[in-house]
Amino acid sequence: DAKTTQPPSMDCAEGRAANLPCNHSTISGNEYVYWYRQIHSQGPQYIIHGLKNNETNEMASLIITEDRKSSTLILPHATLRDTAVYYCIVRSLGGATNKLIFGTGTLLAVQP
Amino acid sequence: NAGVMQNPRHLVRRRGQEARLRCSPMKGHSHVYWYRQLPEEGLKFMVYLQKENIIDESGMPKERFSAEFPKEGPSILRIQQVVRGDSAAYFCASSPEGRLNTEAFFGQGTRLTVV
Repeated sequence: DAKTTQPPSMDCAEGRAANLPCNHSTISGNEYVYWYRQIHSQGPQYIIHGLKNNETNEMASLIITEDRKSSTLILPHATLRDTAVYYCIVRSLGGATNKLIFGTGTLLAVQP
Repeated sequence: NAGVMQNPRHLVRRRGQEARLRCSPMKGHSHVYWYRQLPEEGLKFMVYLQKENIIDESGMPKERFSAEFPKEGPSILRIQQVVRGDSAAYFCASSPEGRLNTEAFFGQGTRLTVV
């Protein structure tokens, strides 16, 4: 599976958009980009995933560059409850295993 | 539709005892993944199972750890002769069969403390 690079931490003001970057320059054609978050002491929570098109759901938007070497997770109106560690994961599907490999993520601190 | 259920939520064991952690996947899910999170560290993949089969156990310690997912009942992660270093949060995730580009849903974890 391709590796990802994320900033270790970011701050965001409450009510503003949070834009979390992720680099995955070695991604291959059959690998999806997944985003999860982990609020302190809880189980990881699925946010969104995509292959090459931008995606949006009720939680967030995922913007993937045309060359697929990087992506950005956008939380449109961050709240204090969005403070968490956000993980960008490149997942290879098919074959013998579909496991998610977590890196160190980005600690997003939403400030009042 | 209930989410992934893990029990117990908290488990205390003395050194040398056995720990059994249970994971009931979401309804209709036949793929189960176990992860371990040591204090102040990230999530580490341990094992991936389908019903009655271990598909990938590349993250499992070579000794004392085993996992199963029987035809009936929950998936079990078993740790024999626990040591203090086994103290961690253990998370289980499940995903449905037949749809590869889908999300895996996590349970709330079992926090194992070895005293």
